[in-house]
Amino acid sequence: EPEVTQTPSHQVTQMGQEVILRCVPISNHLYFYWYRQILGQKVEFLVSFYNNEISEKSEIFDDQFSVERPDGSNFTLKIRSTKLEDSAMYFCASSEPLQGEKLFFGSGTQLSVL
Amino acid sequence: GQSLEQPSEVTAVEGAIVQINCTYQTSGFYGLSWYQQHDGGAPTFLSYNALDGLEETGRFSSFLSRSDSYGYLLLQELQMKDSASYFCAVGTNAGKSTFGDGTTLTVKP
Repeated sequence: EPEVTQTPSHQVTQMGQEVILRCVPISNHLYFYWYRQILGQKVEFLVSFYNNEISEKSEIFDDQFSVERPDGSNFTLKIRSTKLEDSAMYFCASSEPLQGEKLFFGSGTQLSVL
Repeated sequence: GQSLEQPSEVTAVEGAIVQINCTYQTSGFYGLSWYQQHDGGAPTFLSYNALDGLEETGRFSSFLSRSDSYGYLLLQELQMKDSASYFCAVGTNAGKSTFGDGTTLTVKP
């Protein structure tokens, strides 16, 4: 069964450093997302991406965050200058056209900012 | 803004039926989804309702009443492996799903 893959599974970084989280969405999906989940809390929307541009973003997704689809398969989330409060599990997700409510999530990247 | 309310915890025994409710207040509404998440794992899609009524998928069913801004997930013939967190999520704008805080289901023998 097709799946969303994310790398790395764990990332430890120092405050102020840049990190790039990588995702390979399911190949025939056209909508891509990043969500995050702080331990024990709910899943929070960060950004959605369609047709090579951001279609929606949350208040969390400030100027320190950016997304990119550098080629036909990868989808990345960059945090330019990490803060302690960025520590969370980051999930990439994708969905088929016109089925944005059925999200397929990757296994996540646990980001720890020290 | 959007807000969703669901119970924080539910406990049931193996073989039983459990219902997890979700009420929502949103500025836009496309549909209500349900996801399951085991500890340390990714959310997994279970069910989706765009229109009023019941959707059945095996042991899981989901119900929506748009006029009441209310939905529920029904799990039948509970198994130990159903112990997990369950999230309702509202699709509002295209491309954004807002998740509830989650309900931790504990299934006991």
